[in-house]
Amino acid sequence: NAGVTQTPKFQVLKTGQSMTLQCAQDMNHNSMYWYRQDPGMGLRLIYYSASEGTTDKGEVPNGYNVSRLNKREFSLRLESAAPSQTSVYFCASRLSGLKAGDTQYFGPGTRLTVL
Amino acid sequence: DAKTTQPNSMESNEEEPVHLPCNHSTISGTDYIHWYRQLPSQGPEYVIHGLTSNVNNRMASLAIAEDRKSSTLILHRATLRDAAVYYCILKGDSGAGSYQLTFGKGTKLSVIP
Repeated sequence: NAGVTQTPKFQVLKTGQSMTLQCAQDMNHNSMYWYRQDPGMGLRLIYYSASEGTTDKGEVPNGYNVSRLNKREFSLRLESAAPSQTSVYFCASRLSGLKAGDTQYFGPGTRLTVL
Repeated sequence: DAKTTQPNSMESNEEEPVHLPCNHSTISGTDYIHWYRQLPSQGPEYVIHGLTSNVNNRMASLAIAEDRKSSTLILHRATLRDAAVYYCILKGDSGAGSYQLTFGKGTKLSVIP
């Protein structure tokens, strides 16, 4: 049981390049999330998927797109990377999403630098 | 979800108990109180959560005030591995953003050997 896995662990992009961050969970969770964390800050929600087949914007969605490929996988795409997107990106999952008592599980993060 | 207030930082000596406070004066009756922590260079991890009664698990204890307007995370014997940022988060069942956990800046706990 690997929990939440993310690839890659590190990435350096040039401004304007595109890339996709991959996330997978093996806990049969319904809800999945993408957050970003800038230095010294808390996590901010980019997009989430309440259940397979649905996605919704979070607090900071501009410049990103997401795909809930199936129940296990939730990817985050940067179409044209900008230096302001330099951050650490965390994927997370929860069993239900709606239930206030559910625990959220996080991946190890992807450290992205945009030059 | 209602807002929480935590101190920016706290220090503790190793092997001593640590009490991390959280104020949430606008908490609603159905909001759960969650605590997560983030070790350096890692993703956040779940610590404990509760609704009304005090809760214990292998990592920590959660003491909830009778009026639920504040709570305290208790680490019974701090170790160097407990040095982390601790987040107190309220989570309700309904309303806008009900699927989300909203992270503030948390409390940075330093453990002194």
